[in-house]
Amino acid sequence: SQKIEQNSEALNIQEGKTATLTCNYTNYSPAYLQWYRQDPGRGPVFLLLIRENEKEKRKERLKVTFDTTLKQSLFHITASQPADSATYLCALNSGGYQKVTFGTGTKLQVIP
Amino acid sequence: SAVISQKPSRDICQRGTSLTIQCQVDSQVTMMFWYRQQPGQSLTLIATANQGSEATYESGFVIDKFPISRPNLTFSTLTVSNMSPEDSSIYLCSVTPTSGIPDTQYFGPGTRLTVL
Repeated sequence: SQKIEQNSEALNIQEGKTATLTCNYTNYSPAYLQWYRQDPGRGPVFLLLIRENEKEKRKERLKVTFDTTLKQSLFHITASQPADSATYLCALNSGGYQKVTFGTGTKLQVIP
Repeated sequence: SAVISQKPSRDICQRGTSLTIQCQVDSQVTMMFWYRQQPGQSLTLIATANQGSEATYESGFVIDKFPISRPNLTFSTLTVSNMSPEDSSIYLCSVTPTSGIPDTQYFGPGTRLTVL
């Protein structure tokens, strides 16, 4: 069956360091992969989309890689700040028109 | 990006009753979706709200339990019927706008439902 796996354990890092979050998937052939941020009590907010023919995408302090051979995406936040503390969700299109499936998310805590 | 509002933001309901959640978008959108997020879990798609026709439900969700309406391109409702404590969850509306990055979704703030 199709599965999206993100590290369920919280990731704690020191302010200023680079945070790296992992998204692994099985039994998918996604055309693209997305990353969202979710703060407590709020809906997810779109951050980045990377297509299957793209290896890497950047936006300000964010960088996403997409390896369709390994079936993995890495999400990096450089020079992390306490304000980056949130849960980060990976999402894949699941075959339907504009329909995506979300991973369980990884909670990031940036410690001042 | 689209601005999405949901009403109510939260509610506490008794078992066996029904609650209708409203989703309003400030611009016309192509797709509207309803998700459920149970405590500590990720988002689960309930259905795609289709304008002018019946919603498309995902496996495990049925129209009798979660009737959905979408009378126009900017508004949709989700009803949670005959509620039980297992329905306690956050319900989220999301949309895919007609412009911007294709296939990205914009989410409303959610409705936190507690069923006693």
